[in-house]
Amino acid sequence: NAGVTQTPKFQVLKTGQSMTLQCAQDMNHEYMSWYRQDPGMGLRLIHYSVGAGITDQGEVPNGYNVSRSTTEDFPLRLLSAAPSQTSVYFCASSTGFHEQYFGPGTRLTVT
Amino acid sequence: GQQVMQIPQYQHVQEGEDFTTYCNSSTTLSNIQWYKQRPGGHPVFLIQLVKSGEVKKQKRLTFQFGEAKKNSSLHITATQTTDVGTYFCARDGSGNTGKLIFGQGTTLQVKP
Repeated sequence: NAGVTQTPKFQVLKTGQSMTLQCAQDMNHEYMSWYRQDPGMGLRLIHYSVGAGITDQGEVPNGYNVSRSTTEDFPLRLLSAAPSQTSVYFCASSTGFHEQYFGPGTRLTVT
Repeated sequence: GQQVMQIPQYQHVQEGEDFTTYCNSSTTLSNIQWYKQRPGGHPVFLIQLVKSGEVKKQKRLTFQFGEAKKNSSLHITATQTTDVGTYFCARDGSGNTGKLIFGQGTTLQVKP
């Protein structure tokens, strides 16, 4: 099993550009989440999903969209990138409130 | 709100010294998880505590859940350089949805 995979590993965007961060898991987990990590702020939840077709907002959803058409995939879309979205993004999956498995992260810089 | 507060934010210790990080909530927690993130890495699950007053050990790591289920702690005995990293606690955001709310983390540096 590959676990949770994320692409790309690194990305540089210009302000106003859009992009999609990919996340996939092969553990048949129903729950998936996106977090951003900034220095001194810990991990903050952006969006999460409790199953295919069901998503909900986390603590910091503004500027991000998600969809979940399959159990395996949970892409995160930045609609119009802003410098404030410079961060490290982690995707995670789990079966309910149990151990969350994190992907390796995407390091995004917006100039 | 739903936040969990972690203290201290940073801790520098000499190798062999003990280390403790605390996680506090203003509301009762149903359960709590602990994660470790090595520098440049991703968070890795350590443990989940569920019962009031629960104590669990993993080698040199001791995890406790308070009697009132409003606080938790992670204690490392005789730190080693391999313990370097950031330790996070996380609470259930809402009713078993897989939604986790993380504390700000405690970053541990160990001087050899």
